[in-house]
Amino acid sequence: DGGITQSPKYLFRKEGQNVTLSCEQNLNHDAMYWYRQDPGQGLRLIYYSQIVNDFQKGDIAEGYSVSREKKESFPLTVTSAQKNPTAFYLCASSGRLRSNEQFFGPGTRLTVL
Amino acid sequence: QQQVKQSPQSLIVQKGGISIINCAYENTAFDYFPWYQQFPGKGPALLIAIRPDVSEKKEGRFTISFNKSAKQFSLHIMDSQPGDSATYFCAAIYLRTGGGNKLTFGTGTQLKVEL
Repeated sequence: DGGITQSPKYLFRKEGQNVTLSCEQNLNHDAMYWYRQDPGQGLRLIYYSQIVNDFQKGDIAEGYSVSREKKESFPLTVTSAQKNPTAFYLCASSGRLRSNEQFFGPGTRLTVL
Repeated sequence: QQQVKQSPQSLIVQKGGISIINCAYENTAFDYFPWYQQFPGKGPALLIAIRPDVSEKKEGRFTISFNKSAKQFSLHIMDSQPGDSATYFCAAIYLRTGGGNKLTFGTGTQLKVEL
């Protein structure tokens, strides 16, 4: 059963704590992405990675960090420097042959108390 | 700076009616325009997409109309059904070799289809 998995579905953290969101894909896709979704603002790109051990900042990278040590995995860390971290976080991936099609995971809803 | 503007923000349509969502873009380098459908608590799913060299694409009840000169494109849902109730996002992308293409999303339209 191929796809993208994100865990956990819901995450609660205290203000000032770093938290890491998991994203795993078994689609053999080269590129992976992290988006943030807020009501009324659509999806905004945080970071993306075209290949293992390489990643680039998106439009709203401040306060976030990522790593890409394996092709299948692209974890996102929300640091204490992110001023407003409460949001719905979506991970996506795309393959080399049909790079225009991004497939999304089910998302993680992060609430910072 | 919002490069893809979407309207309306919300839409209520009667069952069997036509739902129309509009988007406008600014960057003429965009060369692929997908629409995504998102149900509450789920990730978006690709619904239909169009390239700027065609003016219309139809898949079942879903049609994209594209006006390159006006830099506008729209989604039409014919015979709208309650199961179509979801949030719809238009998006734009410019394709580059090697993948890692960045999607720019509109702000979304919350569609409700009433019985």
